[in-house]
Amino acid sequence: DTAVSQTPKYLVTQMGNDKSIKCEQNLGHDTMYWYKQDSKKFLKIMFSYNNKELIINETVPNRFSPKSPDKAHLNLHINSLELGDSAVYFCASSQLLAGLSGELFFGEGSRLTVL
Amino acid sequence: AQSVTQLDSHVSVSEGTPVLLRCNYSSSYSPSLFWYVQHPNKGLQLLLKYTSAATLVKGINGFEAEFKKSETSFHLTKPSAHMSDAAEYFCVVSAGFQKLVFGTGTRLLVSP
Repeated sequence: DTAVSQTPKYLVTQMGNDKSIKCEQNLGHDTMYWYKQDSKKFLKIMFSYNNKELIINETVPNRFSPKSPDKAHLNLHINSLELGDSAVYFCASSQLLAGLSGELFFGEGSRLTVL
Repeated sequence: AQSVTQLDSHVSVSEGTPVLLRCNYSSSYSPSLFWYVQHPNKGLQLLLKYTSAATLVKGINGFEAEFKKSETSFHLTKPSAHMSDAAEYFCVVSAGFQKLVFGTGTRLLVSP
């Protein structure tokens, strides 16, 4: 039974389109995250939610909008996709805030390719 | 600001030989440090963590890391590499309660 699951795993789309990536965790964790990993494997935090409340919003374009309907789900919607949005997006969760325990549980990633 | 520098982008070893992946940190206070591993097409997994207890930290799969304040280092080691260790390894530092800052990664290649 997958702890953190993301769908879709692969997404290929045209510039200007809108797309969503869904994430669900069955670990009972209070905090969820979205990370972006670029082509050089650099991993950067985008958003973090704790009990459905946004607690981290890094300098991410407004075209990216996270939504947390409940604490087990954190979805990412991207409007007007650009070439530079091509990356692997990882969802993660943790019981404690990341800086306290350092233990994040990651999904397997969603590879977005914008043509 | 907290940051980590991984000194090697690639490390190649032969199976059965020791592994050393180097990481230096910068922190304005006593840091919490972590190593994560990412196998191909998979998510990241925590290998081990240092949170100001013992300076030598043991993790999963035979890996360990030593926190050296005088050298601001947190290098990852393993006595004997296995083919299954081939992966990307990330050194990570906590930046406050809410955030982790990831290094740029070191790809470990293991040859037979």
